[in-house]
Amino acid sequence: QQPVQSPQAVILREGEDAVINCSSSKALYSVHWYRQKHGEAPVFLMILLKGGEQKGHEKISASFNEKKQQSSLYLTASQLSYSGTYFCGTEKGGSNYKLTFGKGTLLTVNP
Amino acid sequence: DAMVIQNPRYQVTQFGKPVTLSCSQTLNHNVMYWYQQKSSQAPKLLFHYYDKDFNNEADTPDNFQSRRPNTSFCFLDIRSPGLGDAAMYLCATSPRDRDTDTQYFGPGTRLTVL
Repeated sequence: QQPVQSPQAVILREGEDAVINCSSSKALYSVHWYRQKHGEAPVFLMILLKGGEQKGHEKISASFNEKKQQSSLYLTASQLSYSGTYFCGTEKGGSNYKLTFGKGTLLTVNP
Repeated sequence: DAMVIQNPRYQVTQFGKPVTLSCSQTLNHNVMYWYQQKSSQAPKLLFHYYDKDFNNEADTPDNFQSRRPNTSFCFLDIRSPGLGDAAMYLCATSPRDRDTDTQYFGPGTRLTVL
């Protein structure tokens, strides 16, 4: 079951903040966040495991609410380099080693 | 220090002409994946290997096959490419020996079918 991401697209000015959400109808074991720039491979940002943890990576952080089966990615004080498509990949329990990706959120940061 | 290498980066083939894409890794990871990604869409898993164990997704067309002759290499064979198979093909690897492992993607091969 493909996770649902929202919003589909967001346009920011440099320095503004954004939140990208990822929700699933199935119980999740982990959520993985990636950023992909046009024509390039997805680049891993962070992984969150069940347990409701929150992680940070410079000005990008994320949370995982296991009960609500959703994760949010927070981008603060956005930079031009943050532009790209953000995908969440969800993994169900059972160690099947597979991720199912959402449709992505296109983030554009303008000067 | 490239970790997941895909060749070629761009492949042009003719309708119905078999094509093979290759992926190699220097990470010694157990798991290798092949994804198909069409424009403005999410990566779609075609199949994956855990060591030599092959796992095919239920909706992967029979036209797509894969080989993993050793830990380092994995190949994607498209037996009779159709116009609808034009896409970016991404290879990814994962060690999957810890809960915190994720997948690491290669740069992709963009396939054009004429």
